[in-house]
Amino acid sequence: DAGVTQSPTHLIKTRGQQVTLRCSPKSGHDTVSWYQQALGQGPQFIFQYYEEEERQRGNFPDRFSGHQFPNYSSELNVNALLLGDSALYLCASSLASGYSNQPQHFGDGTRLSIL
Amino acid sequence: AQKITQTQPGMFVQEKEAVTLDCTYDTSDQSYGLFWYKQPSSGEMIFLIYQGSYDEQNATEGRYSLNFQKARKSANLVISASQLGDSAMYFCAMTPVRSGATNKLIFGTGTLLAVQP
Repeated sequence: DAGVTQSPTHLIKTRGQQVTLRCSPKSGHDTVSWYQQALGQGPQFIFQYYEEEERQRGNFPDRFSGHQFPNYSSELNVNALLLGDSALYLCASSLASGYSNQPQHFGDGTRLSIL
Repeated sequence: AQKITQTQPGMFVQEKEAVTLDCTYDTSDQSYGLFWYKQPSSGEMIFLIYQGSYDEQNATEGRYSLNFQKARKSANLVISASQLGDSAMYFCAMTPVRSGATNKLIFGTGTLLAVQP
């Protein structure tokens, strides 16, 4: 039973560049959420995708965008990278019809460093 | 607005002893869920335990138990018989419970637990 997988594991970019991070949800899950975790902080919710649409969004600028594909996998895109975008980006998957006590399952994350 | 507060940046515990990690929360929702996650240095968030706001019993999962005090808005994690492998960052998180798709998690700042031999 494959868990949540994210790629790449590490990425180094420079200011102003654009980046795409990828996530495959746990088998059987249909909802993907993205979180940003700055060093020494708890994860912050970026947005969530369900049925190929953005369903919820946190307090992040439009430079952060995403996509969900018919196979439920998802991409997170960040444009015009800033130094402050350096963080661990976590993908979490869940089942929309599940009960509230069903936890979101997280991947190992992508560590993004901006130079 | 919802908020999670974890006031212990770091904790030490001797192997085989019990430890309590504190978590308080603030929400205007009547129905909500509380989670604890463990994050080793590898980065993955590992689900430990869940407590629903209407659950009358405190949740337990193996060596983990949740001391839920609704009136005080606290949801402390108790780890019994600590093991060296318990050394990690621990996050308390909450989510509103509403029908439909899974709701976003609100996380605290975490507590770094170090288990000493």
